[in-house]
Amino acid sequence: KQEVTQIPAALSVPEGENLVLNCSFTDSAIYNLQWFRQDPGKGLTSLLLIQSSQREQTSGRLNASLDKSSGRSTLYIAASQPGDSATYLCAVSTGANSKLTFGKGITLSVRP
Amino acid sequence: DAMVIQNPRYQVTQFGKPVTLSCSQTLNHNVMYWYQQKSSQAPKLLFHYYDKDFNNEADTPDNFQSRRPNTSFCFLDIRSPGLGDAAMYLCATSGAGTAREKLFFGSGTQLSVL
Repeated sequence: KQEVTQIPAALSVPEGENLVLNCSFTDSAIYNLQWFRQDPGKGLTSLLLIQSSQREQTSGRLNASLDKSSGRSTLYIAASQPGDSATYLCAVSTGANSKLTFGKGITLSVRP
Repeated sequence: DAMVIQNPRYQVTQFGKPVTLSCSQTLNHNVMYWYQQKSSQAPKLLFHYYDKDFNNEADTPDNFQSRRPNTSFCFLDIRSPGLGDAAMYLCATSGAGTAREKLFFGSGTQLSVL
């Protein structure tokens, strides 16, 4: 059974810092990995999707990497801003119909 | 502009009183999913539809049912809500449902059970 782990559960950084959020998964037989953002009490917004054949994806200040063989992904956030404060979840697709297995997320706080 | 719409945004129900949550989509996607997310927990898949084909997760309680009358709408019915069913319920869609596709989520419905 696929398990997705995100450690630490919470992170606080000063504004302007570059940071890395980690995600690990137990079964390397994945189709893709997605990073989501969730604001308090809200739904999920997809940030980046990396197919299993890819190594990384970039969108603006965000860069996600994937090392499928070691079961790891990182989300790099450059020049963090207070508006980046949210919970970041990673999820992997391991079956038909795009079913996702999620981690619990990392709650990021960027201090002004 | 919203593509996956969930109503209501907040729902309060009483212990044991049936409740229905709704989801609609303007993306014309084949697949619709319902996830349950409890506080500080990972979203957990309850079930999904591929067109009209219903797929239940093995550990989804019988108390949870779903209906998809057409491509655009999907409903989550909780027949007898218990206190443990208080959670955020998230609806999502994907296009053809292949394992490589991105999921699009709605804003969620926060369910409280009194």
